[in-house]
Amino acid sequence: DAGVTQSPTHLIKTRGQHVTLRCSPISGHKSVSWYQQVLGQGPQFIFQYYEKEERGRGNFPDRFSARQFPNYSSELNVNALLLGDSALYLCASSARVPGELFFGEGSRLTVL
Amino acid sequence: QQQVKQSPQSLIVQKGGIPIINCAYENTAFDYFPWYQQFPGKGPALLIAIRPDVSEKKEGRFTISFNKSAKQFSLHIMDSQPGDSATYFCAASIEGDKIIFGKGTRLHILP
Repeated sequence: DAGVTQSPTHLIKTRGQHVTLRCSPISGHKSVSWYQQVLGQGPQFIFQYYEKEERGRGNFPDRFSARQFPNYSSELNVNALLLGDSALYLCASSARVPGELFFGEGSRLTVL
Repeated sequence: QQQVKQSPQSLIVQKGGIPIINCAYENTAFDYFPWYQQFPGKGPALLIAIRPDVSEKKEGRFTISFNKSAKQFSLHIMDSQPGDSATYFCAASIEGDKIIFGKGTRLHILP
């Protein structure tokens, strides 16, 4: 069975640009969560979606937004990129809430 | 109050030794304490988890010890192997939502 898949795996943007990251959850999983992992730190919670509804939001500015589609895939959007947004963005899915999180390998974003 | 404090930052242990990673929390509403293992280039993977009504949980070579009154918990790895070399994160959450991670411990097991 396919695990959580994320795209793109790596990308480079410049300050002020916009980025869209995509996530496909494990088949049958209805919840998707997004985390930001800065180098050398633990992942930080950004958003959680369940059945296409936002269930939780972490302490991130409004430049960060997300949505979940009818097929349970998800997008994370970040506007007006800053150098400090450079990080590994992790998507995790779970079959239910609460439930065990299964992480993808992440999208490595570099902002120049 | 939402933090999970993890120590040490890094740890080097001989093969067969027992590395111990410690974590502390403040929020008594936390009711789920997972440990994640992360290899370079990979996402974190759930290793073992415990709830505060249990003082110890073992899964294979991995053991969590939990001290509710001290608000501390720790991970022990028995008979450690070079393949256990990875970054380990303790975490906490309320009902499994919005998991709060510690800063991680980079573990290196010497062959």
